[in-house]
Amino acid sequence: DIQMTQSPSTLSAFVGDRVTITCRASQSISIWLAWYQQKLGKPPKLLMYKTSSLESGVPSRFSGSGSGTEFTLTISSLQPDDFATYYCQQYSTSSPAFGQGTKVEIQ
Amino acid sequence: EEQLVESGGVVVQPGGSLRLSCAASGFSVDYYTMHWVRQAPGKGLEWVSLLSWDGVTTRYAASVRGRFAISRDNSRNSLYLQMHSLTTEDTALYFCAKDKQQLLMEHYFDYWGQATLVTVSS
Repeated sequence: DIQMTQSPSTLSAFVGDRVTITCRASQSISIWLAWYQQKLGKPPKLLMYKTSSLESGVPSRFSGSGSGTEFTLTISSLQPDDFATYYCQQYSTSSPAFGQGTKVEIQ
Repeated sequence: EEQLVESGGVVVQPGGSLRLSCAASGFSVDYYTMHWVRQAPGKGLEWVSLLSWDGVTTRYAASVRGRFAISRDNSRNSLYLQMHSLTTEDTALYFCAKDKQQLLMEHYFDYWGQATLVTVSS
């Protein structure tokens, strides 16, 4: 099974900061990666798929890049609504797998 | 509007069984691969199982294989998860989710339910 590892686990930042979250796969997943945002008590929300395709309605300050085994999610200017936990998820195989999550906190 | 509503979560003793339901509206479950994803208290997301759009393929996480069974009822437009031999490790919120793309096997999820809580405890 493919393992997904995110870093950092927790990130403290200010409103307006540029923020980058890294996701690494244990083997190549090509570009088959999605990102989700989850707020406390809510289901995850799809942000990005196929590494860099923005889901409808998601602000353009979110962007994704990478291929193979290393991927990043970048928030160009952190907004108050962005404080949440972010998960990457591979769908290269028939058994999807999530990273462990990155919590973005207010500094 | 697409919607998923889970039900069936309760407190159950270790070794017990339970069936979760997920009622879909706004789309047909036989056009989309459907999934169960769980989240233990304070922990991350764990994919559990899928049922392909054509009803042919099922897949399970290693942690539940042989104990859980996914199924659907097209006439009720609903997805199910039958769970047996439950342990405390199965305590979690259980979400159902749908693939964004219909009639494909690209498993990323655009709609999620609000989840149902399964607690395994004596």
